[in-house]
Amino acid sequence: DQQVKQNSPSLSVQEGRISILNCDYTNSMFDYFLWYKKYPAEGPTFLISISSIKDKNEDGRFTVFLNKSAKHLSLHIVPSQPGDSAVYFCAASAGSGNTGKLIFGQGTTLQVKP
Amino acid sequence: DADVTQTPRNRITKTGKRIMLECSQTKGHDRMYWYRQDPGLGLRLIYYSFDVKDINKGEISDGYSVSRQAQAKFSLSLESAIPNQTALYFCATSDQLAPGELFFGEGSRLTVL
Repeated sequence: DQQVKQNSPSLSVQEGRISILNCDYTNSMFDYFLWYKKYPAEGPTFLISISSIKDKNEDGRFTVFLNKSAKHLSLHIVPSQPGDSAVYFCAASAGSGNTGKLIFGQGTTLQVKP
Repeated sequence: DADVTQTPRNRITKTGKRIMLECSQTKGHDRMYWYRQDPGLGLRLIYYSFDVKDINKGEISDGYSVSRQAQAKFSLSLESAIPNQTALYFCATSDQLAPGELFFGEGSRLTVL
């Protein structure tokens, strides 16, 4: 059973507009959430994270929102740039806060059109 | 040079063969991980190690074994490869101060015929 779900396999947006990537989870024990970005033929790279004690974390053009009651998180990219085109994975960990034992979603492929 | 290096990058093998995927890192991290990526399933944790004497099973350890030869080296073995182990394998490291922020290698694509 998939504990972390990214229900949109792909998303296409115009350069300069906002990209919103969504992620849902089922395990209420998750207390730390992360987003990773992956380019073809490369390993994933860490993008941004949020603890369950917060509902928002911002880093430059990237903002992650956490809605614990809905068990939902989202990644906003504003403004979107062509270089943001990649696969985005959300991930979660449970117990002891931030650990490397992550449960990943299936990924969403973002295409930003010039 | 990459901070996390995986060898081989690509390997094609036959059912029943023993395969070893190697990972070395120069980041000085104590924590190392092996993940597997399958289409439509994301990444799943196979094994992890928090220091040289520590080995732990992850979500999908059956059919795999690991060895932590040194702080910088963590290898993954498939004792008798089977076709459903065809996947993209990633080694990753993390620092104990930010353990969820993983640094991944470029991946090893394994095909089992």
